[in-house]
Amino acid sequence: GAGVSQSPSNKVTEKGKDVELRCDPISGHTALYWYRQSLGQGLEFLIYFQGNSAPDKSGLPSDRFSAERTGGSVSTLTIQRTQQEDSAVYLCASSQKAAIYNEQFFGPGTRLTVL
Amino acid sequence: QQQVKQSPQSLIVQKGGISIINCAYENTAFDYFPWYQQFPGKGPALLIAIRPDVSEKKEGRFTISFNKSAKQFSLHIMDSQPGDSATYFCAARGPLGDYKLSFGAGTTVTVRA
Repeated sequence: GAGVSQSPSNKVTEKGKDVELRCDPISGHTALYWYRQSLGQGLEFLIYFQGNSAPDKSGLPSDRFSAERTGGSVSTLTIQRTQQEDSAVYLCASSQKAAIYNEQFFGPGTRLTVL
Repeated sequence: QQQVKQSPQSLIVQKGGISIINCAYENTAFDYFPWYQQFPGKGPALLIAIRPDVSEKKEGRFTISFNKSAKQFSLHIMDSQPGDSATYFCAARGPLGDYKLSFGAGTTVTVRA
């Protein structure tokens, strides 16, 4: 079946602009996660959603970052007033539910470049 | 502050050789330790995972060794093949109720034919 999809695959923007990154999880997966991968670094947790529960936003680096998940499916990560340090690959993952041993399936990521 | 420390940053191995990647953690509440493999332009994919009540887990040419008392775990890739050339990330999750993954910085493995 279809895996996690993300769009766009690449995004180039100017400093100060807002961007929206989209994630389509695997159908039926109730948990959705966003991570950020900076050059030469591991993945950094940003936020996760589980069903109708309040999202865990503990990894968001600043109030310029926000995310929503509509209808328990598609999620959008929004970065306002982008800065050059926001340049990274943003990865989305989903799992059947937010259970500790449930595998997280990752999408291919969106490469964001802030000029 | 990275909760999982991974080494080396990169390694080169000859075809047929053994690749070894090491990770260490501080949070004793972690209780799930997966390894992910990532090819260029792709998202990470789960390779193998271990729970702390087991000291070793093997799947094909990939083995995780886990030392709970030392808070260390490692990935061994036996009979390394050129197709194994990728970036490998160790990760940890827990405690119960905390489902996000904490990742190491990654190791780029290059297998020379």
